[in-house]
Amino acid sequence: GAGVSQSPRYKVAKRGQDVALRCDPISGHVSLFWYQQALGQGPEFLTYFQNEAQLDKSGLPSDRFFAERPEGSVSTLKIQRTQQEDSAVYLCASSLGRVAFFGQGTRLTVV
Amino acid sequence: DAKTTQPTSMDCAEGRAANLPCNHSTISGNEYVYWYRQIHSQGPQYIIHGLKNNETNEMASLIITEDRKSSTLILPHATLRDTAVYYCIVSGANSGNTPLVFGKGTRLSVIA
Repeated sequence: GAGVSQSPRYKVAKRGQDVALRCDPISGHVSLFWYQQALGQGPEFLTYFQNEAQLDKSGLPSDRFFAERPEGSVSTLKIQRTQQEDSAVYLCASSLGRVAFFGQGTRLTVV
Repeated sequence: DAKTTQPTSMDCAEGRAANLPCNHSTISGNEYVYWYRQIHSQGPQYIIHGLKNNETNEMASLIITEDRKSSTLILPHATLRDTAVYYCIVSGANSGNTPLVFGKGTRLSVIA
């Protein structure tokens, strides 16, 4: 499809498990963003890439969170040793100009 | 923190116009007003954006006051599928490179 694609759509992880969430941005989009959305709240910024360069990671909540975009296209958000408070929807967005387009998100549930 | 203030919730009758207000009194001269909406269990969907002139597209109209301290998103003929949380966001001119700062938005319920 032509939109931002995220996988998996749903993920259940046991506490302490590592997870990897994938984002396929719109082809040619230079900028890529990750957001975290807790239940009933608006999305909150995690990190931003321009091509393969991670220019802002100020929103990552702890050093257990790590993101990469090695070839400037697909991005992966990795969470190590998941905790219950990591349960949320993780959203990816990409943009080329002034407007960012979002994927459907990955709902992570840590049990 | 979000630079906008929106009502928590609103109702609208199906077929009527939905007018969603937003206050952004601290907006800077080079900042745009963006509107996104989020339907349950989906990612945010871009609706419209503007700087100072009123804007219209196939989804909605955006009316920005002359002093730019507030704006209104208008859905001209609301349908049940327009039920969603609507976010008003102020962002810099180059927002493609700037993270969007979401508030809590307005939960619009369209009623049959």
